[in-house]
Amino acid sequence: DGGITQSPKYLFRKEGQNVTLSCEQNLNHDAMYWYRQDPGQGLRLIYYSQIVNDFQKGDIAEGYSVSREKKESFPLTVTSAQKNPTAFYLCASSMLSLASYNEQFFGPGTRLTVL
Amino acid sequence: GQQLNQSPQSMFIQEGEDVSMNCTSSSIFNTWLWYKQDPGEGPVLLIALYKAGELTSNGRLTAQFGITRKDSFLNISASIPSDVGIYFCAGLNSGTYKYIFGTGTRLKVLA
Repeated sequence: DGGITQSPKYLFRKEGQNVTLSCEQNLNHDAMYWYRQDPGQGLRLIYYSQIVNDFQKGDIAEGYSVSREKKESFPLTVTSAQKNPTAFYLCASSMLSLASYNEQFFGPGTRLTVL
Repeated sequence: GQQLNQSPQSMFIQEGEDVSMNCTSSSIFNTWLWYKQDPGEGPVLLIALYKAGELTSNGRLTAQFGITRKDSFLNISASIPSDVGIYFCAGLNSGTYKYIFGTGTRLKVLA
């Protein structure tokens, strides 16, 4: 099955600890994205990457870090510097063709709770 | 960051009714996407639009890419209880590779 996997579904951490959220895609997509969603709210872009070994900050990058060492993987680290890390985190990917097929697909999400 | 204006914010409808929602932007997009999100799940892509004026259907769903390229509409015909959820629009200007999302429309269907 082609798709995007995020693990784990639920994650609990103590305040002050760094935590890494996993995102893997087997769609052969070039671009990958991380979004944060708070209860009852829309999606806010944290980081995105158009190509391996390159990534750009989104609208709320402070307190987060990413890496893109492989095309299929885009892990997100929530650092202790993130003031309010409890949220629902969504990973997405897209082909990013110049002509068409610019659909963006989402993973199932990881709900992070910091105690 | 920029967000698209999506309306209505929420709506209660009776089962069997038709539903309309729209999304407007101050910027021009060359791709419009519509998603549905169930509680605790990732958004699922419903319809993708690529040309101004394009009208595309997916079962009971119909979406249109506005002529001005600054808006899009989603219609759901004969709503059923499983249509409950949050519907998001998203626009893309391929030059930036950043998708801009709407604020969401929360749909509740009364049986």
